[in-house]
Amino acid sequence: GAVVSQHPSWVICKSGTSVKIECRSLDFQATTMFWYRQFPKQSLMLMATSNEGSKATYEQGVEKDKFLINHASLTLSTLTVTSAHPEDSSFYICSASTGVNQPQHFGDGTRLSIL
Amino acid sequence: GENVEQHPSTLSVQEGDSAVIKCTYSDSASNYFPWYKQELGKRPQLIIDIRSNVGEKKDQRIAVTLNKTAKHFSLHITETQPEDSAVYFCASREYGNKLVFGAGTILRVKS
Repeated sequence: GAVVSQHPSWVICKSGTSVKIECRSLDFQATTMFWYRQFPKQSLMLMATSNEGSKATYEQGVEKDKFLINHASLTLSTLTVTSAHPEDSSFYICSASTGVNQPQHFGDGTRLSIL
Repeated sequence: GENVEQHPSTLSVQEGDSAVIKCTYSDSASNYFPWYKQELGKRPQLIIDIRSNVGEKKDQRIAVTLNKTAKHFSLHITETQPEDSAVYFCASREYGNKLVFGAGTILRVKS
């Protein structure tokens, strides 16, 4: 149980392109989803928290107009990296939780490479 | 906000030996402390967690201890095996169900 699917697993695209990443909870309803970014050999850094049906809450230093998050249903959240540049290249991972005080279950991550 | 420090950054042990990774946290209100194992390019996998009302929890070769007064918690792996080699992250949950992660420990188990 508690499976989170993330798609795509790997994206390579040109600078200036917008990229959408999907995060789905397959066997449970996720009231809250989290988006993390992980640079090589570093820890997971929370970018934003999204609750179904409401606007995402972004961490300090994360541009909300650059990283658009939509959580339109209890099983799907999307992260769109708009006008991506090489410095946005990273490993993006989502997680999902059924609610407060419940464990977070992670997706497989998306490796984004901007040329 | 919460700050989590993790030590050591790298740890090499001989197969069969024990490994201990330690974390400290700053927010006394934090009440949930999970440990994740991450292999290269893969998702973090929850291996064990502990809540603030418990001092110790064990699952086969893995155990976690929590000292709320000192605000630190530790991961103990006994009888290590080569497949235990990975990066291990501790985390602390703060307000809003947000997890704050430690910097990670690269564990190498030598056979």
